[in-house]
Amino acid sequence: DVKVTQSSRYLVKRTGEKVFLECVQDMDHENMFWYRQDPGLGLRLIYFSYDVKMKEKGDIPEGYSVSREKKERFSLILESASTNQTSMYLCASSSIDREGYEQYFGPGTRLTVT
Amino acid sequence: GQSLEQPSEVTAVEGAIVQINCTYQTSGFYGLSWYQQHDGGAPTFLSYNALDGLEETGRFSSFLSRSDSYGYLLLQELQMKDSASYFCAVSYSGGYNKLIFGAGTRLAVHP
Repeated sequence: DVKVTQSSRYLVKRTGEKVFLECVQDMDHENMFWYRQDPGLGLRLIYFSYDVKMKEKGDIPEGYSVSREKKERFSLILESASTNQTSMYLCASSSIDREGYEQYFGPGTRLTVT
Repeated sequence: GQSLEQPSEVTAVEGAIVQINCTYQTSGFYGLSWYQQHDGGAPTFLSYNALDGLEETGRFSSFLSRSDSYGYLLLQELQMKDSASYFCAVSYSGGYNKLIFGAGTRLAVHP
């Protein structure tokens, strides 16, 4: 069974802290994504990776960075957390064989920055 | 640019049929996907249309008209468990396997 896991379901951090969100997929997918989800705004792409060590900025990359050292793992880093980064963060993966239209999502991490 | 529009909320009763519309403005359009997300859950893939017409998968069907830049998700024989948010998403040339998601439609099914 296809699986995407995220390191935490809930996280509370202080303003200015460095925050690491981890995502692991077990499907040998080439593509991995980080989204944030806010009410009324849908899913907005933060960063995308199509291969190990390869990354591409999404629509809202400011304040974030990513790392993909292994195919199965994609990390999102908040360099200096701010209150406007309080959100639900969703990781997803997809295979290039399906042209990316079928993405598999993790359960999400609800991050609160105080 | 790329944009999608879908209604923010839809309400229906059990056993009824509901249609959730999605219009898009996308350069290099490839196809339209639909995802379902229950409260507190992860989005899950429902369907994909790359060609005009209706695709049926059980109680759910999805339609695409490329000439009208329009699609819809049709849910039949509604059940309480269908209460969820539904997102349309487009894939496009130059996007390299990325999707652009709509803001989502919250469906409430009442007894």
